[in-house]
Amino acid sequence: EAQVTQNPRYLITVTGKKLTVTCSQNMNHEYMSWYRQDPGLGLRQIYYSMNVEVTDKGDVPEGYKVSRKEKRNFPLILESPSPNQTSLYFCASRSDPLAYEQYFGPGTRLTVT
Amino acid sequence: RKEVEQDPGPFNVPEGATVAFNCTYSNSASQSFFWYRQDCRKEPKLLMSVYSSGNEDGRFTAQLNRASQYISLLIRDSKLSDSATYLCVVKLTGGFKTIFGAGTRLFVKA
Repeated sequence: EAQVTQNPRYLITVTGKKLTVTCSQNMNHEYMSWYRQDPGLGLRQIYYSMNVEVTDKGDVPEGYKVSRKEKRNFPLILESPSPNQTSLYFCASRSDPLAYEQYFGPGTRLTVT
Repeated sequence: RKEVEQDPGPFNVPEGATVAFNCTYSNSASQSFFWYRQDCRKEPKLLMSVYSSGNEDGRFTAQLNRASQYISLLIRDSKLSDSATYLCVVKLTGGFKTIFGAGTRLFVKA
C-alpha cells in the first residue's frame, strides 16, 4: 500500500530535550516536506526536500533541522524544543515538485512542556 | 495579511443544502490551485484541483478567477459525510512551495 508513515504519532516532552520525528514514504517520491498546523493558521511549511541531500527552508524553519540521506526518509529534528513548537506536524511527499497531489502522513502531535 | 485567506466558518447546513466556500490569494507567483479536505485530527487529502475553466467532480464544483485572485468550491446536495474542514491550497511557480489556507469548517446536519 502506498503510504507516508510518521513516528511517533504522539509525543510529550520537556523543553530542551532533543527529539526526532521520522517520516518515510514507499512511493519513490522525490519531493518531501514538513508542515506544522496550528489553530487559525493552517499548515505552514517548515522545510522541503527536492531529492537526496537537497533541502531548503520553508516559511517557518527556525528551531528545526532536516536531513535527506535516503530518498524514502525525511526526519525532522528539534535540537532544543521549546513550548512554541507544540503543534501538529505533518510530513508529505509527491512524485516531483510539479505533481498535483501531495500525500500526507497521519500526523504527529507534539507537546513541549 | 495571510497569503491565502478563507472564511473560517463554521458553516452549519442541513443535509441536501448547497454550500459555497471562497478563498482569496495574494501571491502573484501562484501557479496551481487545489481544494483539500481534512477530517478532524487527520491528514489533509486532495479533494480536487482547480482550473481556470472551472471543473466538476460529482457534487463538487471548483472555480478559479485569476484576475480577481479568487477560488471557490461549491458543494451540492450536502451529505453528512461532507462534514470536514476544507483547505484552499496554492502552489507557487516552480512547485517547491505550497501555501495552505487556514480552512473552512463545514458541519452538515440531519
